[in-house]
Amino acid sequence: AQKVTQAQTEISVVEKEDVTLDCVYETRDTTYYLFWYKQPPSGELVFLIRRNSFDEQNEISGRYSWNFQKSTSSFNFTITASQVVDSAVYFCALSETFSGGGADGLTFGKGTHLIIQP
Amino acid sequence: GAGVSQSPRYKVAKRGQDVALRCDPISGHVSLFWYQQALGQGPEFLTYFQNEAQLDKSGLPSDRFFAERPEGSVSTLKIQRTQQEDSAVYLCASSPRTSGSGTGELFFGEGSRLTVL
Repeated sequence: AQKVTQAQTEISVVEKEDVTLDCVYETRDTTYYLFWYKQPPSGELVFLIRRNSFDEQNEISGRYSWNFQKSTSSFNFTITASQVVDSAVYFCALSETFSGGGADGLTFGKGTHLIIQP
Repeated sequence: GAGVSQSPRYKVAKRGQDVALRCDPISGHVSLFWYQQALGQGPEFLTYFQNEAQLDKSGLPSDRFFAERPEGSVSTLKIQRTQQEDSAVYLCASSPRTSGSGTGELFFGEGSRLTVL
């Protein structure tokens, strides 16, 4: 079973629109961490946010905000007033305490390609 | 440099050739990971080092894949007798934290894109 599901393969919006990227995860651990990474065309994965499973407070950082809901196993990412520079592939990832990917290893979703049109 | 450095950035190999991909982690980072990212997919875990010890190699797809980190800093991922299905971007990541911390913030390099013809 897929542990991290990003159902949206590609999203295209016009600049200044708000856009939400969905992420649903699956884990049996009670302690785990969720992440969002941005991958621009250069290929490097850029860390955006980390949340632990005990902190369900939503977070806002500038135009970015994250909605973590354990009840639905979701960790959605919203960009407000999108800009062309936001165009990239965005990955949601899960780190479980005792995962097979190394204890600090990440299990990634397949990513959502976000296209911001001018 | 301050970030994770990988070389070569691009590698084209004929099927059956051996290749070696290098990763220079951030200085002082204890943990080092290799991931494989196929086209249109998310990165998938290959192997993990804590200093020079390879603590997890469960993600290596076959015995043609071999990784080492002999002095606990630079790491090399070697692929022997390359096949077309090995074509992917190979990402290296490092972390100042040791295994078990569970925080998982990794610093990634730009990757090495391998194309096997």
